[in-house]
Amino acid sequence: QKEVEQDPGPLSVPEGAIVSLNCTYSNSAFQYFMWYRQYSRKGPELLMYTYSSGNKEDGRFTAQVDKSSKYISLFIRDSQPSDSATYLCAMRTNTGGFKTIFGAGTRLFVKA
Amino acid sequence: EAGVAQSPRYKIIEKRQSVAFWCNPISGHATLYWYQQILGQGPKLLIQFQNNGVVDDSQLPKDRFSAERLKGVDSTLKIQPAKLEDSAVYLCASNDKWRAAQAGAFFGQGTRLTVV
Repeated sequence: QKEVEQDPGPLSVPEGAIVSLNCTYSNSAFQYFMWYRQYSRKGPELLMYTYSSGNKEDGRFTAQVDKSSKYISLFIRDSQPSDSATYLCAMRTNTGGFKTIFGAGTRLFVKA
Repeated sequence: EAGVAQSPRYKIIEKRQSVAFWCNPISGHATLYWYQQILGQGPKLLIQFQNNGVVDDSQLPKDRFSAERLKGVDSTLKIQPAKLEDSAVYLCASNDKWRAAQAGAFFGQGTRLTVV
């Protein structure tokens, strides 16, 4: 079993839709949860990070962490064609060398 | 603020040849990472440096991969000899000491390696 599981998609939605992206994980020691966006042929770019459980909002993006279910989500409101990219979840513990484990990424297409 | 610089952007080599990638992190960033991203997968950490010391190289195939970070700034990742399964994008990332303790890193655009 992988430490972090993420549906690779692709996920195709019309412009303006609400997008829900999810990851599950097995290591209960993970404390930091991150979402990266990766455009084609570019490096990942950090979108948001959350410490422990709860919600965090930044503009059209909302990150949720449910540690009891070992489940994290990223919601994108009013999706735009420019949101078309691969979204990677990532997480790490609060100890050691801060090694980060990435999900495989979900490819999102937002159609105009 | 200049981003993480990597070169070359693309490289095609034959199996059993050697190759080297270069990374210049964001100025002042003490932590530097090399990741391998195989098509359709998330980045996998190969090695992490704090200044010029190695923090984690547990997933670096040390029989063929080597990395150094002389003077705690630029870094070079080398593969010798390359195998077909080394075809991937090699990403360099960096962070300052404070952010490394929080979350996240700044990534370069990567070097896309094709081994034929």
